[in-house]
Amino acid sequence: ETGVTQTPRHLVMGMTNKKSLKCEQHLGHNAMYWYKQSAKKPLELMFVYSLEERVENNSVPSRFSPECPNSSHLFLHLHTLQPEDSALYLCASSQDSRSFSEQYFGPGTRLTVT
Amino acid sequence: DAKTTQPPSMDCAEGRAANLPCNHSTISGNEYVYWYRQIHSQGPQYIIHGLKNNETNEMASLIITEDRKSSTLILPHATLRDTAVYYCIVRVRFGNEKLTFGTGTRLTIIP
Repeated sequence: ETGVTQTPRHLVMGMTNKKSLKCEQHLGHNAMYWYKQSAKKPLELMFVYSLEERVENNSVPSRFSPECPNSSHLFLHLHTLQPEDSALYLCASSQDSRSFSEQYFGPGTRLTVT
Repeated sequence: DAKTTQPPSMDCAEGRAANLPCNHSTISGNEYVYWYRQIHSQGPQYIIHGLKNNETNEMASLIITEDRKSSTLILPHATLRDTAVYYCIVRVRFGNEKLTFGTGTRLTIIP
């Protein structure tokens, strides 16, 4: 138990669906992250939020839309996804985003796009 | 550009020390060496980090060579639960540099 929870743990969605992934951290951290992990590929950083403000967006397609309503919650809204978007989506948090302090990861959401 | 090089896979007998190497020959003076691991179907887990001195915590030891061009992560008494992919990452401690996980070393602990 790392103090970072993600829901749902598994999600199957069609290409025309709209769904959201949720992440919550109970560590009092100020930075939160979304990562994508595809099969046999390295972990890819998608978004970084620091104090609820997006500080990094690594050329992620607009069909992925993050939202950070407060420092404890992070969402990833999904719409019109493609089958190649099937992957493990990981949320992480850390004390802040500028110092590379330890990042604590959630268990991930396994997403399958059909 | 990969900043680190790790062997793709290693085996270690249960109860023995697992020594995982990492080469980072282009490391700069203000970059730290970090180790994370990812057990199957779980999120990555922070293990340890260091700048130039050897470090030890409850999980592992980190040995960094004097020229800082390579390092070794040591799990002193490996258990089956240590089977995972281990990532060596080089990064400055402060800054907005993108965090990059490479392909890591898949460590398998053999009973």
